[in-house]
Amino acid sequence: DVKVTQSSRYLVKRTGEKVFLECVQDMDHENMFWYRQDPGLGLRLIYFSYDVKMKEKGDIPEGYSVSREKKERFSLILESASTNQTSMYLCASSLGNIQYFGAGTRLSVL
Amino acid sequence: SQQGEEDPQALSIQEGENATMNCSYKTSINNLQWYRQNSGRGLVHLILIRSNEREKHSGRLRVTLDTSKKSSSLLITASRAADTASYFCATPSYSGAGSYQLTFGKGTKLSVIP
Repeated sequence: DVKVTQSSRYLVKRTGEKVFLECVQDMDHENMFWYRQDPGLGLRLIYFSYDVKMKEKGDIPEGYSVSREKKERFSLILESASTNQTSMYLCASSLGNIQYFGAGTRLSVL
Repeated sequence: SQQGEEDPQALSIQEGENATMNCSYKTSINNLQWYRQNSGRGLVHLILIRSNEREKHSGRLRVTLDTSKKSSSLLITASRAADTASYFCATPSYSGAGSYQLTFGKGTKLSVIP
């Protein structure tokens, strides 16, 4: 079975802090994705990567950056966390069309 | 941008009843997928139906696709309390270098009452 692991289930940070959300997949998938999920807004794509060191902006990249130094790991970085980045963050990997998701990280920025 | 839109937003049924959720989308697709999300967890892929298929079954799940109406439906038969979750349709778009993005609808929240 595909396993996508997000490093934290719950995270509480202060405004202005630099935040790292880590995601690791064990299926040698080329593609990895970061989404945020908010009530009433559904899933929105922040960034995705189709290869090591490659990244593409999604629909809402502002305030975020990503890093993919190794194929299995895709990190989402909040350079200076703000309260409007309080959300559920979901990582996924894919081979072809089907995506496999991690359990999610619920981030609260106070 | 939202490609798929589910209907209804919320659905509450008794255990044993059937649950039907609908999805409409806007542009041409080569497949449509349904995902499930238990409360506070990640999404799990349920089923994929290709554009040249009209109906597909997987266990208690039945998915239909009408490309002329740009719509799909997910039927869960003989529902169980464990089916309580949110259900999302998703459509792929090619993003280059052999990779595909998925655009998700906002989901249908299903509650199955024991």
